[in-house]
Amino acid sequence: DTEVTQTPKHLVMGMTNKKSLKCEQHMGHRAMYWYKQKAKKPPELMFVYSYEKLSINESVPSRFSPECPNSSLLNLHLHALQPEDSALYLCASSHTGSPSRAARNTGELFFGEGSRLTVL
Amino acid sequence: QKEVEQNSGPLSVPEGAIASLNCTYSDRGSQSFFWYRQYSGKSPELIMSIYSNGDKEDGRFTAQLNKASQYVSLLIRDSQPSDSATYLCAVNNDMRFGAGTRLTVKP
Repeated sequence: DTEVTQTPKHLVMGMTNKKSLKCEQHMGHRAMYWYKQKAKKPPELMFVYSYEKLSINESVPSRFSPECPNSSLLNLHLHALQPEDSALYLCASSHTGSPSRAARNTGELFFGEGSRLTVL
Repeated sequence: QKEVEQNSGPLSVPEGAIASLNCTYSDRGSQSFFWYRQYSGKSPELIMSIYSNGDKEDGRFTAQLNKASQYVSLLIRDSQPSDSATYLCAVNNDMRFGAGTRLTVKP
């Protein structure tokens, strides 16, 4: 059983919809990540939160809006998506280094099972 | 230059053979190196981590790190069909992955 829980597992939305993907972990990890994965490609880093602060945004379009309400939760808000945004969205968490190196991480990633998003 | 590069394969080996997967990286300051396995339709799972030069063995898996040459490799001994998956190399800091190597072990 994964200790990182993602909901929903599947989501179909139209281009005008607003939806959210949710991720939760209870391992006490202080870094959380969103990845996007297209078929036959590796996971592509989107956002990193460290100690609830956004530390990395990989130039992701603003139609994707991350939120980290607390150390256990990570959301990805979706609005006005395009069909090419259809993909598997993976959440992951990890231990972090010291707070002074909040943007860096030396620990392994624990992944959720992913949310399969289809944009019509 | 990409930060993490892998021989993208696909790589096919017969059952019982040694599978060798390689990864090079560009940041000389990298400290931590990881190999993840991803089965089709599943999320990645960590199989090996290595932090120091040399070899690290765990069962049939051996990770090899050479910081001077900036490469890390994964050897799978006595390959089994259940090892068929995509293997992803990740280097610390921002946890970006290489392109992945698709391994098929044929019975």
